[in-house]
Amino acid sequence: DAKTTQPNSMESNEEEPVHLPCNHSTISGTDYIHWYRQLPSQGPEYVIHGLTSNVNNRMASLAIAEDRKSSTLILHRATLRDAAVYYCILRVTRGNSGGSNYKLTFGKGTLLTVNP
Amino acid sequence: DTGVSQDPRHKITKRGQNVTFRCDPISEHNRLYWYRQTLGQGPEFLTYFQNEAQLEKSRLLSDRFSAERPKGSFSTLEIQRTEQGDSAMYLCASSLGTAMNTEAFFGQGTRLTVV
Repeated sequence: DAKTTQPNSMESNEEEPVHLPCNHSTISGTDYIHWYRQLPSQGPEYVIHGLTSNVNNRMASLAIAEDRKSSTLILHRATLRDAAVYYCILRVTRGNSGGSNYKLTFGKGTLLTVNP
Repeated sequence: DTGVSQDPRHKITKRGQNVTFRCDPISEHNRLYWYRQTLGQGPEFLTYFQNEAQLEKSRLLSDRFSAERPKGSFSTLEIQRTEQGDSAMYLCASSLGTAMNTEAFFGQGTRLTVV
């Protein structure tokens, strides 16, 4: 599986922007970049995904480098409820018969702490 | 729709006993996944169904583990002869379609403690 690298932890203050980086230097041209987050005692929750262009939704923005070897999840104004583990995941198209595109391969993610 | 539902939320069992977990996916979702998560780690893929067909099982899934999705709706995960190493959070997820850009919806998980 294509690998992603994220910092183990990051800290932010409430109502300030947060930039969560992710490196994925082995990304293939058709691999999608997905972000999920996991709040304490909850299952993972979809945040955003993208392929090449930057993406915005109600939760966050995703900035993708031009060479696609890295991306950044942007929370525009962090709240205490954004404290979670954030996972950067590549959904790959290559793999065995049927492809590997159906599963999400999680790393350890980045633990985001938001200070009041 | 209330999302992906898992039952029970917590299970404590003695080593050697069998346990079964249930997952009810979002109703129109054809894909269903099981993951296992231990403390401090990200979820690890266990197995995947498309409708009623189990299309992949991870190497993590020993012979003691079996999963079914008999009518392409709910799924069960059974662990036979539980071991202390099976203690973990078991997560179920579902999604619709096959496109690379679909999102998966996760349940809140079943926390298993083997004593």
